[in-house]
Amino acid sequence: EIQLVESGGALVQPGGSLRLSCVVSGLTLSDHYIDWVRQAPGKGLEWVGRTKNRSQRYAIEYAASVTGRFTISRDDSKNSVNLQMNSLKTEDTAVYYCVSWTAGDPTWGQGTLVTVSS
Amino acid sequence: DIQMTQSPSTLSASVGDRVTIACRASQSINSWLAWYQQKPGKAPKTLIYKTSSLQTGVPSRFSGSGSGTEFTLTISSLQPDDSATYYCQQYNSYSYTFGQGTKLEIK
Repeated sequence: EIQLVESGGALVQPGGSLRLSCVVSGLTLSDHYIDWVRQAPGKGLEWVGRTKNRSQRYAIEYAASVTGRFTISRDDSKNSVNLQMNSLKTEDTAVYYCVSWTAGDPTWGQGTLVTVSS
Repeated sequence: DIQMTQSPSTLSASVGDRVTIACRASQSINSWLAWYQQKPGKAPKTLIYKTSSLQTGVPSRFSGSGSGTEFTLTISSLQPDDSATYYCQQYNSYSYTFGQGTKLEIK
């Protein structure tokens, strides 16, 4: 069974930084794409970024709203994917989910809450 | 970027009804479409992937269809537990966009 567990969410001031982690089990991480998706309070789902698999040379893509501020990294030996968030804005307040993709089939983590407020 | 438009935004139906939610893409996404169910305070749950493949454990009353730019999620016989918000997502190309959601309530 594939499981994803996010951690690292917290209250942070505008302009601050935070690092989220997603630990994956039940799959070989190097073979899979991992997305980060967020959901602001009372709003819909927004795709944030993606790290592709080894065969795609671990290519990374970001949504325009976070490009230059957020960085995705992965450590296949630890089965983890990280989301480094810098220069945080109040509009980055959201629950952040990681999502794994297996042959076009997505599996979601339970999410971690990031609150950006002074 | 590809835009995804769901309709309706809200829907009220009775137990046993057949319910259909539509999702339209601004350009062809082939069959790379997923449907999710989300209940308040919970993570989204995958119902359907690749347009019509039912994820393991999802009740067979849920089905998906479509191709190109027009897609549909159907619940064949609505159950009380189906009250939730439903989202579609295209994963054919960047930026893997979601529809705005359809809130389904049970009368």
